[in-house]
Amino acid sequence: ETGVTQSPTHLIKTRGQQVTLRCSSQSGHNTVSWYQQALGQGPQFIFQYYREEENGRGNFPPRFSGLQFPNYSSELNVNALELDDSALYLCASSSGDRGIDEKLFFGSGTQLSVL
Amino acid sequence: AQSVTQLGSHVSVSEGALVLLRCNYSSSVPPYLFWYVQYPNQGLQLLLKYTTGATLVKGINGFEAEFKKSETSFHLTKPSAHMSDAAEYFCAVRPPGYALNFGKGTSLLVTP
Repeated sequence: ETGVTQSPTHLIKTRGQQVTLRCSSQSGHNTVSWYQQALGQGPQFIFQYYREEENGRGNFPPRFSGLQFPNYSSELNVNALELDDSALYLCASSSGDRGIDEKLFFGSGTQLSVL
Repeated sequence: AQSVTQLGSHVSVSEGALVLLRCNYSSSVPPYLFWYVQYPNQGLQLLLKYTTGATLVKGINGFEAEFKKSETSFHLTKPSAHMSDAAEYFCAVRPPGYALNFGKGTSLLVTP
């Protein structure tokens, strides 16, 4: 049990809709990153938030956006959903100290299906 | 940019046999390397990591990996497979403070 919780666990949307996924960080962690894991693939980095500011982004279009709140919980928003957005979305929290021993703790993910 | 390649999308071993999961990396600077395990319907759990120092790294559940710079490899091994080891395994590389770059994963099947 990592202490990182994600909601909802499963979600079904239709193409063109918008979705919001939520992540509650482990206590004491100020950095949250989001990953997309398509079926049969490794997780792909979407973006990272450090103290409420985005400080890194992967190769995802602007319709993928996020927020981090003062309590360091986070949201991932996806607009204009496409069929290829169907995936497991993973949230990871960390201490943000960027040191050698910085550890990422992953939640169990939200399984998004776009029909 | 740093990246990893996992050789073999599926590996099958008998219970009690040696487990060997292969990972090669590409990096222009000394890499930080990781192995994660993912059980069905769960998130990722860190098995072990290499940052600096000793090249043979021991992790949880009896797994270990050896960083070989000359071969640009970081293969994961376990002397004796258990049924509970059946899962998806991901090799990853990451500069400190930046995102993990994962391989495509290797599905380990353990047969009785």
